[in-house]
Amino acid sequence: KAGVTQTPRYLIKTRGQQVTLSCSPISGHRSVSWYQQTPGQGLQFLFEYFSETQRNKGNFPGRFSGRQFSNSRSEMNVSTLELGDSALYLCASSLEGSSAEAFFGQGTRLTVV
Amino acid sequence: GQNIDQPTEMTATEGAIVQINCTYQTSGFNGLFWYQQHAGEAPTFLSYNVLDGLEEKGRFSSFLSRSKGYSYLLLKELQMKDSASYLCAVRDNTNAGKSTFGDGTTLTVKP
Repeated sequence: KAGVTQTPRYLIKTRGQQVTLSCSPISGHRSVSWYQQTPGQGLQFLFEYFSETQRNKGNFPGRFSGRQFSNSRSEMNVSTLELGDSALYLCASSLEGSSAEAFFGQGTRLTVV
Repeated sequence: GQNIDQPTEMTATEGAIVQINCTYQTSGFNGLFWYQQHAGEAPTFLSYNVLDGLEEKGRFSSFLSRSKGYSYLLLKELQMKDSASYLCAVRDNTNAGKSTFGDGTTLTVKP
């Protein structure tokens, strides 16, 4: 069974640009969550999608947005990039249920210059 | 909201036992997870606790006390490959599907 796939793995963008990251969850998983990971801040929750609906949202500015498609694939978009957006962006998928563990993708390493 | 605290770094010797603590405050507890993350890799699931007590899984065990808002991950017979970051994550019942992660504990295992 294929794991969670994130594309691209690495990305370099300049300030002011926008970027779209993609996540394909494990087959059958309808919950997809996005996290930002930086050395100083740990794993910060961005948002969670379930059945094409945003179910939870973290404390990030409106420049960060996402969506989920009918096949559960998800994208996140960051507009007007800032230097501080440089981070590893991780996507995790899970089955529904409080005991369901999250399966993480390898992440997209975004560098803003 | 949720607040999760873990030690930033720990060092232990190969073959020894180490306990990594996690304390949390949450408005509605709905489970606690431990993940392992090696440098440059994705976090991987280690354990899940929702009821008080100890869950054992091979060399790794996880304990939970809901009344104290406290959990620990116990690693026995440490191996060099156990050097990694260990993340405590709490799921709350007011936001289905949302897990809040601690900043992680970087464990270094020395020969």
